[in-house]
Amino acid sequence: GAVVSQHPSRVICKSGTSVKIECRSLDFQATTMFWYRQFPKKSLMLMATSNEGSKATYEQGVEKDKFLINHASLTLSTLTVTSAHPEDSSFYICSALRGLASYNEQFFGPGTRLTVL
Amino acid sequence: QQQVKQSPQSLIVQKGGISIINCAYENTAFDYFPWYQQFPGKGPALLIAIRPDVSEKKEGRFTISFNKSAKQFSLHIMDSQPGDSATYFCAASRVGSGSRLTFGEGTQLTVNP
Repeated sequence: GAVVSQHPSRVICKSGTSVKIECRSLDFQATTMFWYRQFPKKSLMLMATSNEGSKATYEQGVEKDKFLINHASLTLSTLTVTSAHPEDSSFYICSALRGLASYNEQFFGPGTRLTVL
Repeated sequence: QQQVKQSPQSLIVQKGGISIINCAYENTAFDYFPWYQQFPGKGPALLIAIRPDVSEKKEGRFTISFNKSAKQFSLHIMDSQPGDSATYFCAASRVGSGSRLTFGEGTQLTVNP
């Protein structure tokens, strides 16, 4: 159990286009999902917290108009990179919280490699 | 206050040896300490986690040692195998933070055959 999927796994787009990445919890409901960005050989950087049915909470320095997050159901959160530019190229990873207790385990998706030309 | 410092950055171990990765934290409000394993091009996978009410937790070849007074915790991989070669991240979170994780910088482990 506790499987999280992401789609697509890889995407290459031209500068100026928008890209949507989906994150799904396949076998559990997740009221909270997180979106991370990871540069090569670096740690995960939290971008935003996505709560089902409410607005996402963005970390300091993350442009909310650039990275649109929607958490429309208990199993799906989407990240849209709007008007993508080469500097947005990165590995984007989502995670989902399982459980209702105070100590919730985070389960990560396989990641999406975004390359903006 | 929110930092988690991880060492070493990279580690090379012979097959069958013990791999040890250390983390130190500053925020005494942290109360959940997971370790994640990440292979290239993949998302992190939860390996093992500990809460501060115990000093050690073992799952198979993986053991977490926790020292609350020193604000340190470590991952021990016994009988390391080439398949364990990956990047390992320690993390910490606290009640009331919405389970937001603070990650260490990562350790790239290479187990030579």
